[in-house]
Amino acid sequence: EDKVVQSPLSLVVHEGDTVTLNCSYEVTNFRSLLWYKQEKKAPTFLFMLTSSGIEKKSGRLSSILDKKELFSILNITATQTGDSAIYLCAVVKGAGSYQLTFGKGTKLSVIP
Amino acid sequence: DAGVTQSPTHLIKTRGQQVTLRCSPKSGHDTVSWYQQALGQGPQFIFQYYEEEERQRGNFPDRFSGHQFPNYSSELNVNALLLGDSALYLCASSWTGSLAKNIQYFGAGTRLSVL
Repeated sequence: EDKVVQSPLSLVVHEGDTVTLNCSYEVTNFRSLLWYKQEKKAPTFLFMLTSSGIEKKSGRLSSILDKKELFSILNITATQTGDSAIYLCAVVKGAGSYQLTFGKGTKLSVIP
Repeated sequence: DAGVTQSPTHLIKTRGQQVTLRCSPKSGHDTVSWYQQALGQGPQFIFQYYEEEERQRGNFPDRFSGHQFPNYSSELNVNALLLGDSALYLCASSWTGSLAKNIQYFGAGTRLSVL
């Protein structure tokens, strides 16, 4: 059975801290891994990673994939209160599969 | 450019009733997927529609059915509602012709409460 596990499940940090969110996966025929940010309802797309070892970066957020060890990390530097959200990791399989398989998410709370 | 829109925003039903949720995909997208998100959980895949056909289905009973229209919009129908169907229902769209076709863009969801 396909599995996506995120850790920690929740995290409280102060503004300015750097955080690392983890996502490990066990799926057959892996194709790509996606990160989403869910603030109220709609998950918003952050990154898609397909190749191992290549960092994707957008402002203070960055992510990298390790296909050998089957995990990805999402880093947020200089956190702001607006970063408070649930961060979801999802995996896409190849071979004609179209669904996203999500982890439970990491709830990040950034306090002033 | 409108993103993915869903209606209604909230819905309250009683056990045994039937419900229809609606989704309009992002402009230019041709594929619609539906997910169920229970409290404290990640979204669970229900099914995906492309070219007005169900292309893939997750582990959900036949009480969950859907439809896609020629304009790519979609409906999710749930029959014989159970208390356990209470959840946030998310619609996501994507474009099959894109190199980034695996990126799905989500709407704000419909919050369904079954009493």
